[in-house]
Amino acid sequence: DAGVIQSPRHEVTEMGQEVTLRCKPISGHNSLFWYRQTMMRGLELLIYFNNNVPIDDSGMPEDRFSAKMPNASFSTLKIQPSEPRDSAVYFCASSLTRGHDGYTFGSGTRLTVV
Amino acid sequence: DAKTTQPPSMDCAEGRAANLPCNHSTISGNEYVYWYRQIHSQGPQYIIHGLKNNETNEMASLIITEDRKSSTLILPHATLRDTAVYYCIVRANRDDKIIFGKGTRLHILP
Repeated sequence: DAGVIQSPRHEVTEMGQEVTLRCKPISGHNSLFWYRQTMMRGLELLIYFNNNVPIDDSGMPEDRFSAKMPNASFSTLKIQPSEPRDSAVYFCASSLTRGHDGYTFGSGTRLTVV
Repeated sequence: DAKTTQPPSMDCAEGRAANLPCNHSTISGNEYVYWYRQIHSQGPQYIIHGLKNNETNEMASLIITEDRKSSTLILPHATLRDTAVYYCIVRANRDDKIIFGKGTRLHILP
C-alpha cells in the first residue's frame, strides 16, 4: 500500500494566484481529513469528509479556501486567491471507519506564498 | 480545545524507556486516549489508543490510570529515531475529528 499520497510536495506561488493541493487517500478508507500546520498555530483541522460528503468545514479559515472530494480516491484543497499568511504545510489524512482506527497521514505539501 | 495537558518537552537517554505523561482530567466515559507522533518534516503517525485497559503494540505501551484522568505512553527502548513531537488526544468513539494540541517534544540523547 502506497499510503496517503499528496501532491505537490512543495509549492511556491505568488500572492493572488490560485493554488490546488491534491490528495489520494488509502484505497477503501472512507474518511478524509485536511489539516494545516504552522509554527504559530500548530496542527489545525480544516475540513473532513465521510463517504465523499463534507461533514465539518468549520476549520476552513475563510471563503478563499474550498475543498472537494469528487470520488473516493481523490480530494482537492483550493486556495483562491492565495495570500502570504496561507504559507504552511498542508496534510491530508484518511481512515477506514468512524470510531477506533487511527488516521494515516500523507507526507504533506509545503506551500509558500510570496 | 485539545482537552489534554502534556509537558512541552522531555529528554531521554538512548536505550532507556521513555515515559511520556498526559493529563486528561475531564475525559468522559466514551472517550478514548490516542497517541500520535510527528517526526520532523513528516506527517503525524498513529501509535496506539486505549479506553481503560493498558495496551501494548510493537511501537509502545499505553498505561491508563484507573480513574482515567491521566495516561503514560512508554517507549521501552528509545532510539534516536524516536525523537519527535508526541501528541496525546482524547476522542469519542463516534467522533471523527482528531484535534491536536501542542504535544511533547521528546529528545533522545545519545
